[in-house]
Amino acid sequence: GAGVSQTPSNKVTEKGKYVELRCDPISGHTALYWYRQSLGQGPEFLIYFQGTGAADDSGLPNDRFFAVRPEGSVSTLKIQRTERGDSAVYLCASSANGGATDTQYFGPGTRLTVL
Amino acid sequence: GENVEQHPSTLSVQEGDSAVIKCTYSDSASNYFPWYKQELGKRPQLIIDIRSNVGEKKDQRIAVTLNKTAKHFSLHITETQPEDSAVYFCAATYNDMRFGAGTRLTVKP
Repeated sequence: GAGVSQTPSNKVTEKGKYVELRCDPISGHTALYWYRQSLGQGPEFLIYFQGTGAADDSGLPNDRFFAVRPEGSVSTLKIQRTERGDSAVYLCASSANGGATDTQYFGPGTRLTVL
Repeated sequence: GENVEQHPSTLSVQEGDSAVIKCTYSDSASNYFPWYKQELGKRPQLIIDIRSNVGEKKDQRIAVTLNKTAKHFSLHITETQPEDSAVYFCAATYNDMRFGAGTRLTVKP
């Protein structure tokens, strides 16, 4: 079946604006993860959903970042009052059951540029 | 929380040679250790993983070893090919997955 998809693939915005990034997980996967990858670095954990609820949001850097998954499938990462330091590739991943040893499958990412 | 360190940051080998990438982790509770390959502009792709009840796992030219006592694990690629050139990330998981900073592998033909 289809893999994890993310839209848009690229997003350019101005400092102070609001952005939404969307993730469509693999069908049937209950767990969904958001990561941020800066240039030359590994993915940095942001938040993990099990079904509709955020099971672990300890990686969100501050209260400008928020994510939802209202129906337990598609998720949206929302960033308010964007700053230049938010520029990065935002990756989404999903896994079948969310167990610690479950394989996570990544989407292609959204490259966010804040001018 | 978990801290994963990865070495080297860059690695260049001749085609046919072996490549070894090493990672250490801090949280002894971590029990799952995947390796991802990421080509430029592409998504990370899982290439191999190992769970804490296993010391070694092999899949064709790729093998991973785990030393839980020393809290380190390594990726071994034998008979390297130019298409192995990419950035490789190790990760360690207990509650959430923490990644190393990556190793840029270049295989010269």
